[in-house]
Amino acid sequence: NAGVMQNPRHLVRRRGQEARLRCSPMKGHSHVYWYRQLPEEGLKFMVYLQKENIIDESGMPKERFSAEFPKEGPSILRIQQVVRGDSAAYFCASSLDRGVEETQYFGPGTRLLVL
Amino acid sequence: AQSVAQPEDQVNVAEGNPLTVKCTYSVSGNPYLFWYVQYPNRGLQFLLKYITGDNLVKGSYGFEAEFNKSQTSFHLKKPSALVSDSALYFCAVIEPPGGYNKLIFGAGTRLAVHP
Repeated sequence: NAGVMQNPRHLVRRRGQEARLRCSPMKGHSHVYWYRQLPEEGLKFMVYLQKENIIDESGMPKERFSAEFPKEGPSILRIQQVVRGDSAAYFCASSLDRGVEETQYFGPGTRLLVL
Repeated sequence: AQSVAQPEDQVNVAEGNPLTVKCTYSVSGNPYLFWYVQYPNRGLQFLLKYITGDNLVKGSYGFEAEFNKSQTSFHLKKPSALVSDSALYFCAVIEPPGGYNKLIFGAGTRLAVHP
C-alpha cells in the first residue's frame, strides 16, 4: 500500500541549472497537487493537475516553473534556471477524486538546495 | 481573501497533560478544515478534517478538533499528550466552491511534549 512517492529526496543544483522533481501519486489517485515550503514557513499551493490537464496553476510563478502530469508516468515539476530563492522543500500530494472534501495525501518531499 | 492563523509558534506541554493547538480561519463561505502533522524531514500526515455535520471531529492518534463557526476556530486537542506527539502541526482550509482543491495553510505550530 505505497503512499505518494517523490524523488529525488534531496537535490542540489547550481544557479542557472534545471531542476526536475518527480511525484508518483497513490495507487488509484489521478489528482496531483504541488506545494512549496520555504524555511520556517507553511506550505504554499503551487498547482493542481489531473492526468494531462492543468486545473489550477494560480500559485505557480509566471516564469521558469512548469508542471505536467502525463497519461503515463509521474507528475513532473520543472524549474528552469534555478536561483537561490528557489531553495525550498517541494511537496506533492494526491487525492482520489476532485471533490474539495477529498483528503490530500502528501509525499515525503524533495528538498532543493541551490548553490 | 482566505487565510488561516495559528497564533502560537510553539506550545509546550508536559507528558500526560491535555494539549490544545489553536487555529482560526477567515473565509467568506463555509470552510472545509484540515489538520496535518509534520515530523522532521518528513511529509505531512493527515490527522482529521471537518466538512459538515458534527462539530467535534475525531482523528488519528487520539486527536480531535472542534469546529466553532461563531468564533471561526478549529482548535486541535488531545486529552493526554505523548512525547511522540512532538512535531509541527498545520491547520489548513479550503473555501468551496471557488477554492477548488487549494489547501491554504497556517504557518504551523511546533508542539513540544516534555517527559
